[in-house]
Amino acid sequence: GAVVSQHPSWVICKSGTSVKIECRSLDFQATTMFWYRQFPKQSLMLMATSNEGSKATYEQGVEKDKFLINHASLTLSTLTVTSAHPEDSSFYICSADQFSTYEQYFGPGTRLTVT
Amino acid sequence: KQEVTQIPAALSVPEGENLVLNCSFTDSAIYNLQWFRQDPGKGLTSLLLIQSSQREQTSGRLNASLDKSSGRSTLYIAASQPGDSATYLCAVGANNAGNMLTFGGGTRLMVKP
Repeated sequence: GAVVSQHPSWVICKSGTSVKIECRSLDFQATTMFWYRQFPKQSLMLMATSNEGSKATYEQGVEKDKFLINHASLTLSTLTVTSAHPEDSSFYICSADQFSTYEQYFGPGTRLTVT
Repeated sequence: KQEVTQIPAALSVPEGENLVLNCSFTDSAIYNLQWFRQDPGKGLTSLLLIQSSQREQTSGRLNASLDKSSGRSTLYIAASQPGDSATYLCAVGANNAGNMLTFGGGTRLMVKP
């Protein structure tokens, strides 16, 4: 089946620093990738949708200057959390949309802790 | 705006029981519906995908049904096992090429031995 990887799986950073999270589709090309955030005991909330080669579309309430998304190729999207603050601590999950089926495949998630 | 609701929010059953998880959505113009499983601190595992033209999908002990007109889906788990303990999420795909998913709040299932 289609596999999506994320790197790193967990990261701890200091307040004010930036963190980059990678999302890769390993055995298929993804025209669209999605980034979600999940706070403890809550469901996933979509942050942004990115299409290869174009600017990401952010959901209402998500700061585009804080959460930079780059979808440089059909197999890689990155999320950079700039000037991280403790309230940005969360579980970030990406997914990739396989063009032929429109089924989304999810990465294993990245646990971000900002101290 | 699509809203997805899952009932119950939490469920505890003894091993061996058959159980039903419910998902309802407000906008019936969907592209597909997916059921996921999430273990604590882990990512999502896709269980079943139902296209909007389909009524149900089955995989092993799992059966998911879809009634678009009434905005409902159910996930049926037969002969539940302790290993089935997890959070089950229902997600509805929007009716466009991007297939943006809207998630329900999830049902936390505990199956007791």
